[in-house]
Amino acid sequence: DIQMTQSPSSLSASIGDTVTITCRASQTIHNYLNWYQQKPGKAPSLLVYTTSNLFGAVPSRFSGSGSGTDFTLTISSLQPEDFATYYCQHSYRAPYTFGQGTKLDI
Amino acid sequence: DVQLVESGGDLVQPGRSLRLSCAASGFTFRDYAMHWVRQTPGRGLEWVSSIGWGNNNIRYADSVKGRFTISRDDAKNSLYLQMNSLRVEDTALYYCAKDMDSGEYFDSWGQGTLVTVSS
Repeated sequence: DIQMTQSPSSLSASIGDTVTITCRASQTIHNYLNWYQQKPGKAPSLLVYTTSNLFGAVPSRFSGSGSGTDFTLTISSLQPEDFATYYCQHSYRAPYTFGQGTKLDI
Repeated sequence: DVQLVESGGDLVQPGRSLRLSCAASGFTFRDYAMHWVRQTPGRGLEWVSSIGWGNNNIRYADSVKGRFTISRDDAKNSLYLQMNSLRVEDTALYYCAKDMDSGEYFDSWGQGTLVTVSS
């Protein structure tokens, strides 16, 4: 199975900051990497798919990059609604494992 | 709008069975693969199983293979997860999730249904 490792596991930031979350796969997953946001008591929601494609109405302050085994999610100009937990997930082949999550708080 | 509503979660004893359901609306259900994903505070998010459109491409996580069975009824716009030989470690919030464009990522999620396995 492909293991996904996120760092950091938690992160403190302020409104207006730019933050970067890293996700590393245990083997190449090409560009099959997706990011989700989860707020307390809610289901995860898709943010970015196949490395760099923003889903639906996701604001442009979110961006994803990477390839192979190393990927990043960058959030620029943090807004109050961005404080949440973020998960990466690969979609290269089953099982489609998730990272352990990065909790972003103020 | 896409809506996914899970049901069937309960408190059950180890070794018993449970069937989860997911009622889908707001999209052409038969055209999309569907997934079950579970979440626990300790193990985080774990993909459990998926089923393609037309009942093809059924896959399971190793942790549930041979015990869980995924199925769908396109006439009823419903997804199911039959869970047999339940273990304490199957305790989790189970989400139904819609696949996006057969990409094996999840663009819509239900609110989850809680399964607790305990004696």
